[in-house]
Amino acid sequence: QKEVEQDPGPLSVPEGAIVSLNCTYSNSAFQYFMWYRQYSRKGPELLMYTYSSGNKEDGRFTAQVDKSSKYISLFIRDSQPSDSATYLCAMSGSTDKLIFGTGTRLQVFP
Amino acid sequence: GAVVSQHPSWVICKSGTSVKIECRSLDFQATTMFWYRQFPKQSLMLMATSNEGSKATYEQGVEKDKFLINHASLTLSTLTVTSAHPEDSSFYICSARDWASYEQYFGPGTRLTVT
Repeated sequence: QKEVEQDPGPLSVPEGAIVSLNCTYSNSAFQYFMWYRQYSRKGPELLMYTYSSGNKEDGRFTAQVDKSSKYISLFIRDSQPSDSATYLCAMSGSTDKLIFGTGTRLQVFP
Repeated sequence: GAVVSQHPSWVICKSGTSVKIECRSLDFQATTMFWYRQFPKQSLMLMATSNEGSKATYEQGVEKDKFLINHASLTLSTLTVTSAHPEDSSFYICSARDWASYEQYFGPGTRLTVT
């Protein structure tokens, strides 16, 4: 079993839809949770960074962490074609080492 | 926001030669940098952790003599792929951890093609 599981998609939604992206994990030592966006042939860009459980909102993006269920989510409101990219969840424990999910490819069509 | 650069962005080399990739943090100091490789449609796989002024820590299965890492300053780490082979062709991405915020920022990646 992988430490971090993420549905690879692709996920195709119309412009304006609410997008829900999810990851599950098995290591209860993970404390830091991140979401990255990666465009084709580019490096990942940090979108959201949360510590422990709870919600965090930044513009159209909301990150949720449920440590009891070992489940994290990223919601994108009013999705735009420019949001089309691969979204990677990542997490770490007491060390700097990030464990990535496989990434979910999202396509938002006009 | 924090910026990490990589150079070159794209390189083609012949089998048997060595290639050096640079990773720089432009507006912050990074005591720790990370090197990843990414195959098409796959996630990032950590190769090694580079700490300024000390030896890199390699992940299991990564040959330290083949992938030489040097972290000579708080803003620069280099990865040298020695005696490159076609199977080393991949997308190499570095990240740098801001010593003040602990957040990791990624470079734009370097696409290596070995012919």
